[in-house]
Amino acid sequence: ELKVEQNPLFLSMQEGKNYTIYCNYSTTSDRLYWYRQDPGKSLESLFVLLSNGAVKQEGRLMASLDTKARLSTLHITAAVHDLSATYFCAVGRADMRFGAGTRLTVKP
Amino acid sequence: ETGVTQTPRHLVMGMTNKKSLKCEQHLGHNAMYWYKQSAKKPLELMFVYSLEERVENNSVPSRFSPECPNSSHLFLHLHTLQPEDSALDLCASSQGGGRTLQETQYFGPGTRLLVL
Repeated sequence: ELKVEQNPLFLSMQEGKNYTIYCNYSTTSDRLYWYRQDPGKSLESLFVLLSNGAVKQEGRLMASLDTKARLSTLHITAAVHDLSATYFCAVGRADMRFGAGTRLTVKP
Repeated sequence: ETGVTQTPRHLVMGMTNKKSLKCEQHLGHNAMYWYKQSAKKPLELMFVYSLEERVENNSVPSRFSPECPNSSHLFLHLHTLQPEDSALDLCASSQGGGRTLQETQYFGPGTRLLVL
């Protein structure tokens, strides 16, 4: 059974700092997703990563994929308060499996 | 309406009630999904419909019964729920049910369900 693990589960950052969220998955997959969820809101798609070495960037967020290591990272550069949210990685096709989520809090 | 809509947004029900959740997608997609998000578990896939045919059913108790009358609408019928079924029920849709490499699932706002 496909398992998806994220760490850390909770992350408190100072504004302006950099940090990385990790996502490991247990079986081969041809795609990996990152989503963002604000408190009380639904999930918003951030990135779809499809191949080994894929890197995508949007603003202060950069996601990468290493299919051989079954690892994806979400790197946050110079964090700002607006990035405070829960970030999920997900693996699979129609039967997507989600990680537990990383609750990010960015403090002034 | 745009994107994926869900009604009601909040639902409080007793254990003997029967209620239904509705999801509608305005994206022209061919696949729809029900997920459950609770405080104690990660986001869990419950059901997948592709071209109105159920293709995934992850050992969900029979007190949750899905219905997909067409590619734009998805219902979740609830009956004799338990308090531990309280959760955020999320609907999503995608273009090809996982068959298209670039496709993404788009989520609705969710129904906050409380079972008393």
